Amino acid sequence: DAGVIQSPRHEVTEMGQEVTLRCKPISGHNSLFWYRQTMMRGLELLIYFNNNVPIDDSGMPEDRFSAKMPNASFSTLKIQPSEPRDSAVYFCASTPEGYGYTFGSGTRLTVV
Amino acid sequence: QQPVQSPQAVILREGEDAVINCSSSKALYSVHWYRQKHGEAPVFLMILLKGGEQKGHDKISASFNEKKQQSSLYLTASQLSYSGTYFCGTEIWDKIIFGKGTRLHILP
Repeated sequence: DAGVIQSPRHEVTEMGQEVTLRCKPISGHNSLFWYRQTMMRGLELLIYFNNNVPIDDSGMPEDRFSAKMPNASFSTLKIQPSEPRDSAVYFCASTPEGYGYTFGSGTRLTVV
Repeated sequence: QQPVQSPQAVILREGEDAVINCSSSKALYSVHWYRQKHGEAPVFLMILLKGGEQKGHDKISASFNEKKQQSSLYLTASQLSYSGTYFCGTEIWDKIIFGKGTRLHILP
């Protein structure tokens, strides 16, 4: 099992550009979560999906952030336009219900 | 809504014991514990469900008191490999909200 796969591992972009982060969950896991980690705020839940359906997006900071899960094996988190305060490590995690989360390696985003 | 962890940081010598506490103001369905090493992703350690059970994982164990809405993680005879940041996560409505973490540093 390859685990949760995220791409890219690192992304440096200029303010105002569109950024797309990608995630492939573990096969058979029906829940997928996007978290953002910063020193100041810790691990923040942005949005989660259950069976490909967005359940709770109350953690999405603002309309510049959007997430999709078109099928059980792929999800994207998009930021448009990006701002320097979006710089963080973004983690995707998946789980079958009632079990612990398996996190991907994360995407370190730097917006300059 | 975010659980509160204490202490914020701990420095131990190899072989010593540590306790990390996690408390919530909300009624909990379950509590998760994770460890994150610098530059890596959080790794799942264990989950405790309602019922006050205690679980073990090698020399790492945890308890969950649902009435007090508290959980504690116990590290016995700590090893160098235990260094990292420990997060508790409280499950509310099928999602986990994480505490700010407890940094644990083990000295040889």
